[in-house]
Amino acid sequence: DAKTTQPPSMDCAEGRAANLPCNHSTISGNEYVYWYRQIHSQGPQYIIHGLKNNETNEMASLIITEDRKSSTLILPHATLRDTAVYYCIVIIADSWGKLQFGAGTQVVVTP
Amino acid sequence: EADIYQTPRYLVIGTGKKITLECSQTMGHDKMYWYQQDPGMELHLIHYSYGVNSTEKGDLSSESTVSRIRTEHFPLTLESARPSHTSQYLCASSRAGVSGYTFGSGTRLTVV
Repeated sequence: DAKTTQPPSMDCAEGRAANLPCNHSTISGNEYVYWYRQIHSQGPQYIIHGLKNNETNEMASLIITEDRKSSTLILPHATLRDTAVYYCIVIIADSWGKLQFGAGTQVVVTP
Repeated sequence: EADIYQTPRYLVIGTGKKITLECSQTMGHDKMYWYQQDPGMELHLIHYSYGVNSTEKGDLSSESTVSRIRTEHFPLTLESARPSHTSQYLCASSRAGVSGYTFGSGTRLTVV
């Protein structure tokens, strides 16, 4: 599975959009981009995933570049409860994939 | 409402004791996983299962063992607990194919 690179930390003001970058320059054609977050040592929570098209759900939007070498998770209106570690994971699209978590990005939303 | 349950939530136990951490899911997921996470550190996969009677070791070596006799149940056992086993243990499950994982709330284990 391709490795990912994320900034170790970022701050965001409450009510503003949070844009979380992720580089995955070695991604292959059958690998999906998944985003999870972990709030204060709770079990990680699934946010969104995509292959090559941009995706949106009730939690966030995922923008994947045309060459698929990077992506951005967008939290449109950050709240204090969005403070968490956010993980970008690239995983092969078959039934045998196992999620491997890196260090992620610690996002702190401030009032 | 949680679809994957871990018990106990917290456990403090003496060195040398045998312990079993329970994990059950009600979603009929084929795949189940155990992750270990020390405070402030990364999650590491220690065991996984793709179905009944299937168990594999993960990327991080662990002295624990697992079993998968029923689809919904994936317990983790430590035969002789040591202080080095102090950590948080997170269980997860997923459907076959590309899908999101569902994690339990974790068991925070302290061995004294």
